Amino acid sequence: AQKVTQAQTEISVVEKEDVTLDCVYETRDTTYYLFWYKQPPSGELVFLIRRNSFDEQNEISGRYSWNFQKSTSSFNFTITASQVVDSAVYFCALSEAASGTYKYIFGTGTRLKVLA
Amino acid sequence: NAGVTQTPKFRVLKTGQSMTLLCAQDMNHEYMYWYRQDPGMGLRLIHYSVGEGTTAKGEVPDGYNVSRLKKQNFLLGLESAAPSQTSVYFCASKNRLNTEAFFGQGTRLTVV
Repeated sequence: AQKVTQAQTEISVVEKEDVTLDCVYETRDTTYYLFWYKQPPSGELVFLIRRNSFDEQNEISGRYSWNFQKSTSSFNFTITASQVVDSAVYFCALSEAASGTYKYIFGTGTRLKVLA
Repeated sequence: NAGVTQTPKFRVLKTGQSMTLLCAQDMNHEYMYWYRQDPGMGLRLIHYSVGEGTTAKGEVPDGYNVSRLKKQNFLLGLESAAPSQTSVYFCASKNRLNTEAFFGQGTRLTVV
């Protein structure tokens, strides 16, 4: 069965610290997609990244980077030199291609608090 | 380009009342979804649609009904609201390719 686990419920860091948000997934499909979304205090869901199961190349976008490892079924998200504006709830999600519905299975989210 | 628009943004219902949440997308997306977000539980899928005229149950469908009579609209109905349906509801849409989903701004529903 498909499942996404974000074991870190809440993380607090001081501004400028690096922080890694963990995401572990379970799926039987060979073709799937992983996503990260940010939910700031205003409540909307902001898309951050999409990665398909055939592309294990890590990605960096400014202060954000993602580490995808199929061997450990993980898709971790690192924020370098965190800022107060990074304070939000972050969701990892899985979408399997086989069903044809492309629905998301979300993790329970990690609340990140960046303290000034 | 408005993207995904949810109506209303806030609503308070009394137990037993009914209401309909409207989701409208202007991106010609085939797939549409309704999720609910509760503290500590992430987002859970209520119902979804893979095209106009089709709907299917998700993870937590009980107490809800949906309709997709027009491609751009996906309606979520509560026939007899219960306090357990107090939640934030998100609508999302995406196209046939497995790209990211676009989410509405959410509807905060309180059932008293």
